Amino acid sequence: AQSVAQPEDQVNVAEGNPLTVKCTYSVSGNPYLFWYVQYPNRGLQFLLKYITGDNLVKGSYGFEAEFNKSQTSFHLKKPSALVSDSALYFCAVGISNFGNEKLTFGTGTRLTIIP
Amino acid sequence: DAGVIQSPRHEVTEMGQEVTLRCKPISGHNSLFWYRQTMMRGLELLIYFNNNVPIDDSGMPEDRFSAKMPNASFSTLKIQPSEPRDSAVYFCASSFGTTVSYEQYFGPGTRLTVT
Repeated sequence: AQSVAQPEDQVNVAEGNPLTVKCTYSVSGNPYLFWYVQYPNRGLQFLLKYITGDNLVKGSYGFEAEFNKSQTSFHLKKPSALVSDSALYFCAVGISNFGNEKLTFGTGTRLTIIP
Repeated sequence: DAGVIQSPRHEVTEMGQEVTLRCKPISGHNSLFWYRQTMMRGLELLIYFNNNVPIDDSGMPEDRFSAKMPNASFSTLKIQPSEPRDSAVYFCASSFGTTVSYEQYFGPGTRLTVT
């Protein structure tokens, strides 16, 4: 079984400060890891993914995430937060399982950037 | 590209009535997913299709729920009869490939209220 945990329901960061949204996962095998963002009354929007290769992945809007196999983590980071980054962030994990492949999403972390 | 299109955007119905949600995936995408989002349960995968064929429907809550994908450009999720506990936001998503490594593109969602 695969699972993902987002330990913080809410993260508050001052504008201009670096931000981190945490994610840990549990899978049997090599994971595929994703971050999505959801703005109010909108669907989820893809930010970035780790499939293989470089552990540091760069994505949209200046976000990046680092895959850490030993700690089974995939934390989302940004060097300087913007007020417009305020949204709900979801981490998701999947594995290659020929014939039946699906993502498991975390419960989400609400990020609030304080002006 | 218009993105994933869902209709209706809002649906209010009375308990016992039939509800049909519609989805048009992005042209050329081969996988389609139906999700349900509630405050209590977060984001749940209900069913997904590869090349119009249902692959995993283990997330469908019960026999009152059914989904079809008659062709590559259209899918429906039907609830019959509807119950108040079905109230949620239902998302359709599509992806280009049939493996979990491909990112999913979400529609704007249908907010269902069953009274």
